[in-house]
Amino acid sequence: GQQLNQSPQSMFIQEGEDVSMNCTSSSIFNTWLWYKQDPGEGPVLLIALYKAGELTSNGRLTAQFGITRKDSFLNISASIPSDVGIYFCAGRGRGGADGLTFGKGTHLIIQP
Amino acid sequence: EADIYQTPRYLVIGTGKKITLECSQTMGHDKMYWYQQDPGMELHLIHYSYGVNSTEKGDLSSESTVSRIRTEHFPLTLESARPSHTSQYLCASSPSDTPGSTQYFGPGTRLLVL
Repeated sequence: GQQLNQSPQSMFIQEGEDVSMNCTSSSIFNTWLWYKQDPGEGPVLLIALYKAGELTSNGRLTAQFGITRKDSFLNISASIPSDVGIYFCAGRGRGGADGLTFGKGTHLIIQP
Repeated sequence: EADIYQTPRYLVIGTGKKITLECSQTMGHDKMYWYQQDPGMELHLIHYSYGVNSTEKGDLSSESTVSRIRTEHFPLTLESARPSHTSQYLCASSPSDTPGSTQYFGPGTRLLVL
């Protein structure tokens, strides 16, 4: 099946720093989504990307759909304590189930 | 943002018991999904449905079964729970008219089988 490689696995940063994480795949995806999950909760959609090369912002978050359709990145500017959580990339390819393929997540920890 | 609900939020149960995890959404979404997630790990699709009377197995094999008798309701059943079923189960839904597959998740059910 399709696999997503998400990195880094975890990040320890200072409040106010910028954050960058990415996902890569050997397969082409038609949709890239970025989710944030807090402990004990379901993932919450942050940004959805539908076109290769697309760059989309949501407040302090910016994500891009790679031009090769095999990668995506998420940037968070000026991190704040509530940004702590696990960030997942997810992609949907062609055919098969309509479900998403998820990366293993990036654990973001912010030190005050 | 979709309103999607899951009950119970937490369940501790003994081996061999039959359990049903409930999922309902109030947005009229046609597509619904069940994912399984071990702590700190990625989500794996176990079941999905495109609408009433439609159910399909996902990428990860699961001993659970699902039904879709009503649009808003997509329950998951384990006939005989085992410790290997211990995990978090997440339900999601998606409207048919969105491009791609923007999915909205419920809060999840954390299952512990003793």
